[in-house]
Amino acid sequence: VQLVESGGGVVQPGKSLRLSCAASEFTFRSYGMHWVRQAPGKGLEWVAVIWYDGSNKYYADSVKGRFTISRDNSKNTLYLQMNSLRAEDTAVYYCVRDLDDGSGSYPFDYWGQGTLVTVSS
Amino acid sequence: QSVLTQPPSVSGAPGQRVTISCTGTGSNIGAGYDVHWYQQLPGTAPKLLIYGNSNRPSGVPDRFSGSKSGTSASLAITGLQAEDEADYYCHSYDRSLSGHVFGTGTKVTVL
Repeated sequence: VQLVESGGGVVQPGKSLRLSCAASEFTFRSYGMHWVRQAPGKGLEWVAVIWYDGSNKYYADSVKGRFTISRDNSKNTLYLQMNSLRAEDTAVYYCVRDLDDGSGSYPFDYWGQGTLVTVSS
Repeated sequence: QSVLTQPPSVSGAPGQRVTISCTGTGSNIGAGYDVHWYQQLPGTAPKLLIYGNSNRPSGVPDRFSGSKSGTSASLAITGLQAEDEADYYCHSYDRSLSGHVFGTGTKVTVL
C-alpha cells in the first residue's frame, strides 16, 4: 500500500489550496479514505472521510463548510479542497486508508507521509 | 478537538510495564465503539498498533496489548524497550459529532 500526498505549501489567510493523494498497490475503489491533520507540535485531528464509492462525506466541525473531500476512483486519487484558510489550519495533512468502506468506526490502517500546509501572511 | 483524554506523559525503565489510559464518554467509547491505538515515532507518520480494542496487526510485538471497559480503554506495554519511545494516540468514533475522534496523545519516555 502506498499513499503519496502532494499540494502542500505556504498560502495566505483566506486563500485556497487543493491537496491530492495518489494511492497505489491496493484496490482504491474498495476503501473509505480520510484526511487527518497534525498541527506543529500538537496531536492528531480527524478532518474528513469519504466512503469507498464517494456516496457519503463527513467533516470535523472545525472545517465544515470550508473543506471538501472528494475522490476519483478511475485515477486512484483522493483530494481535499481547502477554502477560506485560516492560521489554525496550519498542519501536516495525512492521507489515510480506512480498514473498510468508511461507514463505521474502523481503524486507519495505512497512512501517507503527510504534506505540510502553512497558512501565513 | 480531542474528546478522548490521555495522560500527557508516562515513563519507565527498560523492561518495565507502562500503561496509557484513554478516557471517553457515553457518546464514543461508552457507546460501544471500538478503540484503536497508534504509535508515532519522532518525525514519522502514525502507525496502527492496536485495533478493535485488543487486536494486534501483523508485525506488532505481543509486548503491546489493549483493553476496554466502560467509557475507557488502556494500552499496556510490557518489557519496555528503547525503541518504544514515541507518542501514542487512541482513536474512536463519536456519535454526537458524527465523526472520528483522537485522544490527546501520550509521550512515552524510556528512562
